[in-house]
Amino acid sequence: DTAVSQTPKYLVTQMGNDKSIKCEQNLGHDTMYWYKQDSKKFLKIMFSYNNKELIINETVPNRFSPKSPDKAHLNLHINSLELGDSAVYFCASSQDRGGASGNTIYFGEGSWLTVV
Amino acid sequence: DAKTTQPPSMDCAEGRAANLPCNHSTISGNEYVYWYRQIHSQGPQYIIHGLKNNETNEMASLIITEDRKSSTLILPHATLRDTAVYYCIVSKWAGSYQLTFGKGTKLSVIP
Repeated sequence: DTAVSQTPKYLVTQMGNDKSIKCEQNLGHDTMYWYKQDSKKFLKIMFSYNNKELIINETVPNRFSPKSPDKAHLNLHINSLELGDSAVYFCASSQDRGGASGNTIYFGEGSWLTVV
Repeated sequence: DAKTTQPPSMDCAEGRAANLPCNHSTISGNEYVYWYRQIHSQGPQYIIHGLKNNETNEMASLIITEDRKSSTLILPHATLRDTAVYYCIVSKWAGSYQLTFGKGTKLSVIP
């Protein structure tokens, strides 16, 4: 079983559309994340949720809205897609926020979004 | 934020040990050193992490200098499947432990 799974893996859509990427983890983790990897391959955190509560919200356009129906799921909704949103989006999860032993984060395989 | 410095690329002969260096001279006492790798078109994969002591697991060894200003990831017997970008990360606490990825080291394992 895939620990962190996200769908769709590939998504091609037109500018101005609204799309969602879904993420589920079966690790029993309390914290989930969305990361974005752009064309220059830099991987940056976008959001972090702990037990359905938003705890990290980096400088991201408000067209991006994460939604966590339960602690095993963290979906990413993107409104009014722009060309610059084309990237690979990675969902991830960790046991909790981190503590004495650090905070190992496990990543999904990525969702490749292309806006045309 | 504690920054990390890694060489942009390295080569290693198949079957030999790969030693990947990382400089993190501004690391704070409660910040961990993490290593991840990303094989082309896949999600980042956790390798190992440590705070002060050297660590070893089934994938690699992590050697952290006594002053914690640098570390080395050691892949004892590199295989072609170890070709990837390796990221050295110093985690910071910001409501949770964050991982901030840099450019990493592109390791090429050569037959």
